[in-house]
Amino acid sequence: SQKIEQNSEALNIQEGKTATLTCNYTNYSPAYLQWYRQDPGRGPVFLLLIRENEKEKRKERLKVTFDTTLKQSLFHITASQPADSATYLCALYTGGFKTIFGAGTRLFVKA
Amino acid sequence: DVKVTQSSRYLVKRTGEKVFLECVQDMDHENMFWYRQDPGLGLRLIYFSYDVKMKEKGDIPEGYSVSREKKERFSLILESASTNQTSMYLCASRWSTDTQYFGPGTRLTVL
Repeated sequence: SQKIEQNSEALNIQEGKTATLTCNYTNYSPAYLQWYRQDPGRGPVFLLLIRENEKEKRKERLKVTFDTTLKQSLFHITASQPADSATYLCALYTGGFKTIFGAGTRLFVKA
Repeated sequence: DVKVTQSSRYLVKRTGEKVFLECVQDMDHENMFWYRQDPGLGLRLIYFSYDVKMKEKGDIPEGYSVSREKKERFSLILESASTNQTSMYLCASRWSTDTQYFGPGTRLTVL
């Protein structure tokens, strides 16, 4: 069956460190992959998109990698800040109208 | 900036009531979506609309219907609310196959 998995356990890190979140998928061939941020009680907000022919994408302190052989994406936040604390969702677009969302990983950054 | 608004942030209804959730976007997007989000399950697609009066069922359409009479407005209808429809409901819109923009969500409680 098709599956998309993110770390279900919360990630706790110290301010200033790099946070690394993982997204693994099976039985999909995504055209592109997206990462969203979601704060409690709010809708997700788009952060980054990476296409199947791209290995890495950066935006300010954010970096995303995409390995279609391993079927994995890594999302990095460098020099993390308490304001980065949120849930981060991975989403795969495989064509048509459907985007498949992971359940998200909760990140806590301690001051 | 794209703006997606939802008619209510919080809603409390009784079992058997008919419930209307409304979503409005201001960017002339063709595609609009309704999702529900439950802890540990991620976002699940209820319905999708790709044009005025056009709709497609998502993964969990049972117990729901939708209406899109104008391009900017997409309504989700719970014909007869049940307690298992207590959830966070998220509306999103996008242009073609691009990034989705989400509304703030409606937290619906059915008693």
